[in-house]
Amino acid sequence: DIQMTQSPSSLSASIGDRVTITCRASQDINTFLNWYQQKPGKAPKLLIYGASSLQGGVPSRFSGSGSGTDFTLTISGLEPEDFATYYCQQSHRNPLTFGGGTKVEIK
Amino acid sequence: QLQLQESGPGLVKPSETLSLTCTVSGGSISTSSYYWGWIRQPPGKGLEWIGSVYYSGSAYYKPSLKSRVTISVDTSKNQFSLRLSSVTAADTAVYYCARRSERLAHALGDWGQGTLVTVSS
Repeated sequence: DIQMTQSPSSLSASIGDRVTITCRASQDINTFLNWYQQKPGKAPKLLIYGASSLQGGVPSRFSGSGSGTDFTLTISGLEPEDFATYYCQQSHRNPLTFGGGTKVEIK
Repeated sequence: QLQLQESGPGLVKPSETLSLTCTVSGGSISTSSYYWGWIRQPPGKGLEWIGSVYYSGSAYYKPSLKSRVTISVDTSKNQFSLRLSSVTAADTAVYYCARRSERLAHALGDWGQGTLVTVSS
């Protein structure tokens, strides 16, 4: 299985901050890396697919980058509704695997 | 607007079989380029992919669960199902069904709301 390692596991930030979350794959996954946002009691929501493509309806303050083994999710200007847990996930090879999650909390 | 809805018992006894169904509306399960899958999340923990199925019936499972899992599709009802046998407390989780799209680099673009299944006697 491809292991996905996210960091940090949690962070505290203020409204308007720029936030960066990183994800590392245990092997080359090209750009088959996706990012999800999950709020308490809700299903995950796809934000970014293919490492850098914004899913329809997702605000442009979210962006993704990277290829190979190292990837980044950036939120440019944190909004109140962005406080949530974020997961990366590789779709290069079965079984699909997720990172452990990054909880973004209010400072 | 595609919608997925999980259904099934919320309580299962240890050693028994967990059975869930996902009903798809707003789109056909028989469309090519989509895979239909199950993901679970134990309380307070992260996401675990269980497996997925194509409308043809071809399925792939997480290796560590493969001996206990069956995912099947019923195109006439626009549904797909999960069966997980010999459950233990470790299988207690919110179970989500989701659609995986080739167009989205095989990301999980559509999800059901999730259903909590508790394994307890």
